[in-house]
Amino acid sequence: DAGITQSPRHKVTETGTPVTLRCHQTENHRYMYWYRQDPGHGLRLIHYSYGVKDTDKGEVSDGYSVSRSKTEDFLLTLESATSSQTSVYFCATLAGEGTQYFGPGTRLLVL
Amino acid sequence: QKEVEQDPGPLSVPEGAIVSLNCTYSNSAFQYFMWYRQYSRKGPELLMYTYSSGNKEDGRFTAQVDKSSKYISLFIRDSQPSDSATYLCAIPSTSNDYKLSFGAGTTVTVRA
Repeated sequence: DAGITQSPRHKVTETGTPVTLRCHQTENHRYMYWYRQDPGHGLRLIHYSYGVKDTDKGEVSDGYSVSRSKTEDFLLTLESATSSQTSVYFCATLAGEGTQYFGPGTRLLVL
Repeated sequence: QKEVEQDPGPLSVPEGAIVSLNCTYSNSAFQYFMWYRQYSRKGPELLMYTYSSGNKEDGRFTAQVDKSSKYISLFIRDSQPSDSATYLCAIPSTSNDYKLSFGAGTTVTVRA
């Protein structure tokens, strides 16, 4: 798992509530990523970070924000959860030469 | 046009068969390509990393790149039930070397 943990691993929440997912890495990698994975869409990049306090948007960033106050932690926040954000969320880090390593995922259900 | 397109599958094959997985990509400037394997309810794991053109072999797995056709393939020889998983191809994004574009994935089931 390349030293990546995600919490929580499962979450059920209600529409309109804020949700924060946490990614923690132990390898001191500079780049970190948040993806969502949905049937038929594969992995889609939400946001990524290239250093502490340095973040940028991916292809599906609407409704999501991120923060990175420490190298090892990358947080994904759903400002006001909607049913369309029901998904499996993966965190990844860049190990070098383009290779990314993924965490175990968080399954989020928004009712 | 998506940067990478992957044959959707799913594929179901008998144990011992050769599995062939394919992706096409749009930008001929790419220099490296990857295949990830994802077991059910797990995160993707890097399976193969290939530079430029040609073949790379690792045990029962062979990754092949045809840059003239913008085509990448993964072959699994002597497939085993433990190879049952979703396989995703990945290429560097045209907009940023530190981002990857993933194929949608092909789910493979190897029947014992």
